Amino acid sequence: NAGVTQTPKFQVLKTGQSMTLQCAQDMNHEYMSWYRQDPGMGLRLIHYSVGAGITDQGEVPNGYNVSRSTTEDFPLRLLSAAPSQTSVYFCASSRGSRGQDTDTQYFGPGTRLTVL
Amino acid sequence: RKEVEQDPGPFNVPEGATVAFNCTYSNSASQSFFWYRQDCRKEPKLLMSVYSSGNEDGRFTAQLNRASQYISLLIRDSKLSDSATYLCVVIYTGGFKTIFGAGTRLFVKA
Repeated sequence: NAGVTQTPKFQVLKTGQSMTLQCAQDMNHEYMSWYRQDPGMGLRLIHYSVGAGITDQGEVPNGYNVSRSTTEDFPLRLLSAAPSQTSVYFCASSRGSRGQDTDTQYFGPGTRLTVL
Repeated sequence: RKEVEQDPGPFNVPEGATVAFNCTYSNSASQSFFWYRQDCRKEPKLLMSVYSSGNEDGRFTAQLNRASQYISLLIRDSKLSDSATYLCVVIYTGGFKTIFGAGTRLFVKA
């Protein structure tokens, strides 16, 4: 199994550009989520999905859209990039959210995004 | 007040030392607790789940105190390879609200 994969690894955008960060998992996990990590702030939840066709907002959703058309894929779209969105983005998946055993999250390698 | 708080460190310890990290959480409606390890510029990886009964994995011991709302991680006989950032994670009941602490940085030196 490849686990959780993310592309691209690095990206530089200009203010106002849009782009999609890709995330895929091959573990048949129900839950997928996107986080951003900024220095000194830990990881913050952007959006999450509890299954195909179901998404919801996390702590910092503004400026981002998601969709979940399949179990495997969970892309994150930046609608109009801003310098404040410069960050490292991690995608994660887990089997579910019904207790300790299913809550364990597995992370992709991250996308390092710079917005100029 | 942050929902999950950790001492940011850094902790600088010699090889062979015992080091302890604490993490406090503010919301009592929480169902799952974890310690993750993150190496520089890499993704977080699960270190241990944390249970009220306490659990041990080799040199690592984790403990949950629900009454006081804190989680601890003890590392015995520190190795150079233990140098990393340790993240405390709390997942709240009834949803998928996952809160990460900002992390505690550990440096183990020879």
